[in-house]
Amino acid sequence: KAGVTQTPRYLIKTRGQQVTLSCSPISGHRSVSWYQQTPGQGLQFLFEYFSETQRNKGNFPGRFSGRQFSNSRSEMNVSTLELGDSALYLCASSTASGGHNEQFFGPGTRLTVL
Amino acid sequence: AQTVTQSQPEMSVQEAETVTLSCTYDTSESDYYLFWYKQPPSRQMILVIRQEAYKQQNATENRFSVNFQKAAKSFSLKISDSQLGDAAMYFCAYRSGETSGSRLTFGEGTQLTVNP
Repeated sequence: KAGVTQTPRYLIKTRGQQVTLSCSPISGHRSVSWYQQTPGQGLQFLFEYFSETQRNKGNFPGRFSGRQFSNSRSEMNVSTLELGDSALYLCASSTASGGHNEQFFGPGTRLTVL
Repeated sequence: AQTVTQSQPEMSVQEAETVTLSCTYDTSESDYYLFWYKQPPSRQMILVIRQEAYKQQNATENRFSVNFQKAAKSFSLKISDSQLGDAAMYFCAYRSGETSGSRLTFGEGTQLTVNP
């Protein structure tokens, strides 16, 4: 089985632009969670989608949004980029939401905002 | 809100020796899960071991074991017979079993160096 894939792996944007990151979960997984990793704030939960519905949301401004498609692939969008949005964005998938379900992480997308 | 604290930013161990990484957490919940994840330089997060709060027995996975002290809210990871490939950042994480969802709350991480 293929693992979680994230595209693109690296991205450079300038302040004020917007960006869309993609996450393809493991086949059969219906839950996708997103995390932001920065040296200063560590790993922070952004949101989780399960069966095309947002299940949970972390403490991030409305510039951060996401969605999930019927094939469970998920995208996250960041509008009006700020320098502080430079981070590694990780997604994780699991068969279902919460409980005993193990989460498998993708390799991440490294976003640099100039 | 739950919090996870890792008080050791860096640790080092000699190859073949044993090392213990510390983690404490704060929660008012009785149903939860605790995890240790490894993040090597590739940045790929890998699950090392997990513990269900309702289980009294400490989890073990080959050379990795935990010391789960529920009353003390402590969850340490012991790595036996350390190998060079164990060098990585290790994160302790908490997930609620009482609220729905897969949200993980992570500690700050411990950078483990393995010396040959």
